[in-house]
Amino acid sequence: QVQLVESGGGVVQPGGSLRLSCAASGVTFSSYTMHWVRQAPGKGLEWVAVISYDGGFEYYADSVQGRFTISRDNSKNTLFLQMNSLRTEDTAVYYCAREFSAFDFWGQGTLVTVSS
Amino acid sequence: QTGLTQPPSVSKDLRQTATLTCTGNRNNVGNQGAAWLQQHQGHPPKLLSYRNNNRPSGISERFSASRSGNTASLTITGLQPDDEADYYCSAWDSSLSVWMFGGGTKLTVL
Repeated sequence: QVQLVESGGGVVQPGGSLRLSCAASGVTFSSYTMHWVRQAPGKGLEWVAVISYDGGFEYYADSVQGRFTISRDNSKNTLFLQMNSLRTEDTAVYYCAREFSAFDFWGQGTLVTVSS
Repeated sequence: QTGLTQPPSVSKDLRQTATLTCTGNRNNVGNQGAAWLQQHQGHPPKLLSYRNNNRPSGISERFSASRSGNTASLTITGLQPDDEADYYCSAWDSSLSVWMFGGGTKLTVL
């Protein structure tokens, strides 16, 4: 049974930083490309970033390019999202998702609130 | 990054058929097709189909997807109350090297 569990969300002031984690189980984590996708309150889904199975490539949405960094530790079956220079518009539930042709497994999400 | 275009809402009667659309361009929907996801309030999205009409295990045959040019469609037959949800399309844009989501369609089953 594939499980993805996000953690690390919370309340942070504008300009601050947070590091999100996504722990994977029941899956050969190192075989899959992984994503972060976010959803602002009452809004639609917004793709954030992707990292290949071996960390060989990363791509980012324009809205987070230069501020967020996606990474992974395949030895610990864990995906990360380092978020710096946070803005109020980054407030959202952040989901990690596995890619198998598309986003086939999702975690339950972790809420990030950027507010003063 | 211009996203994919979906109608904000669709309403259909119970047991009827709903067709949801998603319009992109030749670099995304028109290239590798679209995936469709369903999201119930308070829950993470669930994949319904990928690359136009491949269904993951456990997804009902009532959900079928297709593509014509730069527009992808999701058809849901025999609408049930539980089909009332938000539906999103998604596609990789090969020109921009980004994944895109549509704005979502809220399906109401009357």
